[in-house]
Amino acid sequence: QITLKESGPTLVKPTQTLTLTCTFSGFSLTTTGVGVGWIRQPPGKALEWLALIYWDDDKFYSPSLKSRLTVTKGASTKQVVLTMTNMDPVDTATYYCAHTISRDTAKRYFDYWGQGTLVTASS
Amino acid sequence: EIVMTQSPATLSVSPGERATLSCRASETVGSYLAWYQQKPGQAPRLLIYGASTRATGIPARFSGSGSGTEFTLTISSLQSEDFAVYYCHQYDHWPQAFGQGTKVEIK
Repeated sequence: QITLKESGPTLVKPTQTLTLTCTFSGFSLTTTGVGVGWIRQPPGKALEWLALIYWDDDKFYSPSLKSRLTVTKGASTKQVVLTMTNMDPVDTATYYCAHTISRDTAKRYFDYWGQGTLVTASS
Repeated sequence: EIVMTQSPATLSVSPGERATLSCRASETVGSYLAWYQQKPGQAPRLLIYGASTRATGIPARFSGSGSGTEFTLTISSLQSEDFAVYYCHQYDHWPQAFGQGTKVEIK
Protein backbone atom coordinates (compact mmCIF):
# COMPACT_ATOMS: atom_id res chain seq x y z
CA GLN A 1 0.00 0.00 0.00
CA ILE A 2 1.40 3.35 -1.06
CA THR A 3 1.10 6.35 1.25
CA LEU A 4 2.73 9.77 1.18
CA LYS A 5 2.84 12.55 3.77
CA GLU A 6 4.13 16.09 3.53
CA SER A 7 5.83 17.81 6.46
CA GLY A 8 7.38 21.20 7.10
CA PRO A 9 6.60 24.61 8.53
CA THR A 10 3.07 25.92 8.48
CA LEU A 11 4.22 29.55 8.54
CA VAL A 12 7.12 31.21 6.77
CA LYS A 13 8.02 34.87 6.53
CA PRO A 14 8.30 36.63 3.19
CA THR A 15 11.78 36.27 1.61
CA GLN A 16 12.47 33.12 3.64
CA THR A 17 13.12 29.70 2.12
CA LEU A 18 10.50 26.97 2.47
CA THR A 19 11.65 23.38 2.89
CA LEU A 20 9.09 20.59 2.65
CA THR A 21 9.68 16.87 3.03
CA CYS A 22 7.59 14.14 1.46
CA THR A 23 7.92 10.87 3.36
CA PHE A 24 6.41 7.82 1.74
CA SER A 25 5.91 4.12 2.18
CA GLY A 26 5.01 1.27 -0.12
CA PHE A 27 7.67 2.17 -2.66
CA SER A 28 11.24 3.40 -2.80
CA LEU A 29 13.00 5.93 -4.97
CA THR A 30 15.42 3.16 -5.85
CA THR A 31 12.61 1.42 -7.76
CA THR A 32 13.16 1.77 -11.48
CA GLY A 33 10.79 4.23 -13.07
CA VAL A 34 9.22 5.69 -9.95
CA GLY A 35 8.78 9.43 -9.51
CA VAL A 36 7.48 11.89 -6.93
CA GLY A 37 5.84 15.14 -7.94
CA TRP A 38 4.92 18.33 -6.11
CA ILE A 39 1.67 20.19 -6.71
CA ARG A 40 0.25 23.16 -4.84
CA GLN A 41 -3.19 24.71 -4.42
CA PRO A 42 -3.81 28.23 -3.11
CA PRO A 43 -6.92 28.46 -0.93
CA GLY A 44 -10.03 28.19 -3.09
CA LYS A 45 -8.02 27.94 -6.30
CA ALA A 46 -6.85 25.34 -8.79
CA LEU A 47 -4.03 22.83 -8.67
CA GLU A 48 -0.64 24.01 -9.93
CA TRP A 49 2.09 21.56 -11.04
CA LEU A 50 5.47 22.49 -9.54
CA ALA A 51 8.15 19.84 -9.98
CA LEU A 52 8.91 16.15 -10.33
CA ILE A 53 11.91 13.94 -9.53
CA TYR A 54 12.50 10.42 -10.81
CA TRP A 55 14.33 7.45 -9.35
CA ASP A 56 17.41 8.20 -11.45
CA ASP A 57 17.53 11.84 -10.26
CA ASP A 58 16.04 13.21 -13.47
CA LYS A 59 14.13 16.38 -12.57
CA PHE A 60 11.52 18.63 -14.16
CA TYR A 61 10.32 22.05 -13.01
CA SER A 62 7.61 24.56 -13.71
CA PRO A 63 9.32 27.19 -15.90
CA SER A 64 7.67 30.06 -14.05
CA LEU A 65 9.08 28.87 -10.70
CA LYS A 66 12.23 27.08 -11.82
CA SER A 67 14.58 29.76 -10.48
CA ARG A 68 13.11 29.34 -6.99
CA LEU A 69 12.54 25.58 -6.79
CA THR A 70 14.82 22.68 -6.02
CA VAL A 71 13.67 19.09 -5.67
CA THR A 72 16.05 16.49 -4.27
CA LYS A 73 16.11 13.04 -2.83
CA GLY A 74 16.02 13.03 0.94
CA ALA A 75 18.20 11.46 3.55
CA SER A 76 16.49 8.12 3.01
CA THR A 77 15.25 6.38 -0.12
CA LYS A 78 11.74 7.09 1.13
CA GLN A 79 11.94 10.86 1.20
CA VAL A 80 11.90 13.72 -1.29
CA VAL A 81 12.58 17.33 -0.40
CA LEU A 82 11.23 20.47 -2.07
CA THR A 83 12.78 23.86 -1.40
CA MET A 84 11.30 27.15 -2.55
CA THR A 85 13.30 30.32 -2.06
CA ASN A 86 12.14 33.89 -1.57
CA MET A 87 8.67 33.04 -0.32
CA ASP A 88 5.90 35.56 -0.90
CA PRO A 89 2.31 35.79 0.37
CA VAL A 90 1.12 34.61 -3.07
CA ASP A 91 2.89 31.31 -2.35
CA THR A 92 0.40 30.59 0.42
CA ALA A 93 -1.08 27.23 -0.53
CA THR A 94 -1.59 23.61 0.34
CA TYR A 95 1.41 21.71 -0.97
CA TYR A 96 0.94 18.11 -2.09
CA CYS A 97 3.40 15.40 -3.04
CA ALA A 98 2.24 12.57 -5.26
CA HIS A 99 3.50 9.27 -6.69
CA THR A 100 3.89 8.56 -10.37
CA ILE A 101 4.61 5.10 -11.74
CA SER A 102 7.08 5.85 -14.49
CA ARG A 103 8.68 8.42 -16.78
CA ASP A 104 7.06 6.56 -19.69
CA THR A 105 4.60 9.04 -21.14
CA ALA A 106 1.65 6.72 -20.64
CA LYS A 107 2.27 6.41 -16.92
CA ARG A 108 3.12 9.94 -15.78
CA TYR A 109 -0.20 10.56 -14.03
CA PHE A 110 -0.38 10.79 -10.22
CA ASP A 111 -2.01 7.72 -8.73
CA TYR A 112 -1.36 8.37 -5.04
CA TRP A 113 -1.34 11.69 -3.23
CA GLY A 114 -0.33 12.89 0.20
CA GLN A 115 -2.87 14.65 2.39
CA GLY A 116 -1.23 18.01 1.75
CA THR A 117 0.22 20.60 4.07
CA LEU A 118 -0.95 24.22 4.27
CA VAL A 119 1.89 26.71 4.18
CA THR A 120 1.19 30.37 4.89
CA ALA A 121 3.67 33.02 3.86
CA SER A 122 3.10 36.04 6.05
CA SER A 123 5.01 38.45 8.24
CA GLU B 1 3.61 25.51 -22.22
CA ILE B 2 0.31 23.77 -22.68
CA VAL B 3 -2.75 25.45 -21.18
CA MET B 4 -5.67 23.31 -20.05
CA THR B 5 -9.10 24.94 -20.13
CA GLN B 6 -12.07 23.34 -18.41
CA SER B 7 -15.72 24.17 -18.91
CA PRO B 8 -18.03 25.00 -17.40
CA ALA B 9 -16.56 26.45 -14.24
CA THR B 10 -19.62 25.30 -12.30
CA LEU B 11 -22.16 22.65 -13.25
CA SER B 12 -25.46 22.40 -11.37
CA VAL B 13 -26.94 18.92 -11.62
CA SER B 14 -29.68 17.03 -9.82
CA PRO B 15 -28.88 13.65 -8.24
CA GLY B 16 -29.44 10.87 -10.73
CA GLU B 17 -28.81 13.09 -13.73
CA ARG B 18 -25.88 12.95 -16.13
CA ALA B 19 -22.98 15.37 -15.87
CA THR B 20 -20.68 16.18 -18.77
CA LEU B 21 -17.44 18.04 -18.11
CA SER B 22 -15.09 19.32 -20.80
CA CYS B 23 -11.35 19.88 -20.93
CA ARG B 24 -9.46 21.45 -23.83
CA ALA B 25 -5.70 21.48 -24.35
CA SER B 26 -3.96 24.33 -26.17
CA GLU B 27 -1.91 21.74 -28.09
CA THR B 28 -2.41 18.08 -28.73
CA VAL B 29 -1.66 15.82 -25.76
CA GLY B 30 -2.57 12.55 -27.44
CA SER B 31 -4.41 10.42 -24.91
CA TYR B 32 -2.18 11.46 -22.02
CA LEU B 33 -4.93 13.04 -20.00
CA ALA B 34 -6.08 12.26 -16.46
CA TRP B 35 -9.09 13.34 -14.43
CA TYR B 36 -9.10 13.82 -10.65
CA GLN B 37 -11.89 14.37 -8.15
CA GLN B 38 -11.33 16.62 -5.15
CA LYS B 39 -13.68 17.03 -2.21
CA PRO B 40 -13.35 19.85 0.34
CA GLY B 41 -10.40 19.36 2.65
CA GLN B 42 -9.17 16.31 0.77
CA ALA B 43 -6.40 15.55 -1.66
CA PRO B 44 -7.27 14.91 -5.30
CA ARG B 45 -8.17 11.33 -6.22
CA LEU B 46 -7.29 9.79 -9.57
CA LEU B 47 -10.41 8.84 -11.54
CA ILE B 48 -9.32 8.38 -15.15
CA TYR B 49 -5.95 8.09 -16.92
CA GLY B 50 -5.07 7.59 -20.55
CA ALA B 51 -8.16 9.71 -21.31
CA SER B 52 -10.53 6.76 -20.83
CA THR B 53 -9.17 4.15 -18.39
CA ARG B 54 -10.77 4.10 -14.97
CA ALA B 55 -8.38 3.91 -12.04
CA THR B 56 -8.65 1.06 -9.57
CA GLY B 57 -11.89 1.13 -7.60
CA ILE B 58 -13.56 3.88 -9.62
CA PRO B 59 -17.25 3.16 -10.32
CA ALA B 60 -18.38 2.49 -13.86
CA ARG B 61 -20.60 5.60 -13.84
CA PHE B 62 -17.41 7.60 -14.45
CA SER B 63 -16.20 7.54 -18.04
CA GLY B 64 -13.68 9.52 -20.02
CA SER B 65 -13.34 10.11 -23.72
CA GLY B 66 -11.46 12.18 -26.24
CA SER B 67 -7.97 12.56 -27.65
CA GLY B 68 -5.76 15.27 -29.06
CA THR B 69 -7.12 18.52 -27.65
CA GLU B 70 -10.72 17.77 -26.63
CA PHE B 71 -11.67 15.59 -23.68
CA THR B 72 -14.82 14.78 -21.77
CA LEU B 73 -15.56 13.33 -18.35
CA THR B 74 -19.06 11.93 -18.01
CA ILE B 75 -20.77 10.91 -14.79
CA SER B 76 -23.74 8.90 -15.94
CA SER B 77 -25.98 9.18 -12.87
CA LEU B 78 -24.78 11.54 -10.17
CA GLN B 79 -24.66 10.20 -6.65
CA SER B 80 -24.47 12.39 -3.55
CA GLU B 81 -20.79 11.55 -3.10
CA ASP B 82 -19.96 12.80 -6.62
CA PHE B 83 -20.53 16.47 -5.85
CA ALA B 84 -16.98 17.80 -5.89
CA VAL B 85 -14.44 19.65 -8.02
CA TYR B 86 -12.95 17.84 -11.00
CA TYR B 87 -9.57 18.61 -12.59
CA CYS B 88 -8.03 17.48 -15.84
CA HIS B 89 -4.26 16.99 -16.08
CA GLN B 90 -2.07 16.64 -19.16
CA TYR B 91 1.08 14.62 -18.70
CA ASP B 92 2.22 14.39 -22.32
CA HIS B 93 4.45 17.45 -22.35
CA TRP B 94 6.75 19.15 -19.84
CA PRO B 95 5.77 21.04 -17.84
CA GLN B 96 2.70 19.05 -16.93
CA ALA B 97 -0.43 21.13 -16.37
CA PHE B 98 -3.81 21.05 -14.66
CA GLY B 99 -7.03 22.69 -15.71
CA GLN B 100 -8.70 25.25 -13.49
CA GLY B 101 -11.37 22.80 -12.37
CA THR B 102 -15.12 22.28 -12.74
CA LYS B 103 -17.25 22.34 -9.62
CA VAL B 104 -20.21 19.96 -9.76
CA GLU B 105 -22.85 21.19 -7.37
CA ILE B 106 -26.31 20.06 -6.37
CA LYS B 107 -29.09 21.69 -8.35
